[in-house]
Amino acid sequence: EADIYQTPRYLVIGTGKKITLECSQTMGHDKMYWYQQDPGMELHLIHYSYGVNSTEKGDLSSESTVSRIRTEHFPLTLESARPSHTSQYLCASRGAATGELFFGEGSRLTVL
Amino acid sequence: GDSVTQMEGPVTLSEEAFLTINCTYTATGYPSLFWYVQYPGEGLQLLLKATKADDKGSNKGFEATYRKETTSFHLEKGSVQVSDSAVYFCALDNGGATNKLIFGTGTLLAVQP
Repeated sequence: EADIYQTPRYLVIGTGKKITLECSQTMGHDKMYWYQQDPGMELHLIHYSYGVNSTEKGDLSSESTVSRIRTEHFPLTLESARPSHTSQYLCASRGAATGELFFGEGSRLTVL
Repeated sequence: GDSVTQMEGPVTLSEEAFLTINCTYTATGYPSLFWYVQYPGEGLQLLLKATKADDKGSNKGFEATYRKETTSFHLEKGSVQVSDSAVYFCALDNGGATNKLIFGTGTLLAVQP
């Protein structure tokens, strides 16, 4: 059973609003990731972190930012949301022993 | 660079039919290979994995064999159920400091009763 949690699960907001998607894991994993998932299902890595105070841009350019002040917490922030940000955002963490990625249930963002 | 290619979906099958979802990869070295499944409204979860050539991963009746000679990791199940309806992702990990998994584009499976 994965112990990684995302909030909110669903969010509908207006253009220009600032939003933060929360992601927390209780497994003590150092590596964490944010993926953006198209309606067509494809996953795009937008941010990752090796550990505390480490953040890197992923393969797909994103206007969002992330922080990693604590091992268990990896929030994603959009300063000014736009309709083009409408998507599902999936957070994941990686166990060192097995290499398995554990995913949260996702945050589905709709920007009007 | 490393990449994963999956068969296009959607795949529509009747209950108890045989399933194959093709996955091929391009990578240097000896990657680990994974199948993840995403049920409706949920995140991804690991279905099975194989870490070296000729390994067979299996779980919940699904199987996939790591074939280095054909650079493939096809997912199979002998008899699908309606509850298997989901999106299936093939992925590889070629190691390295970033530990980024490279995912295929996903294949939607719809099983009809």
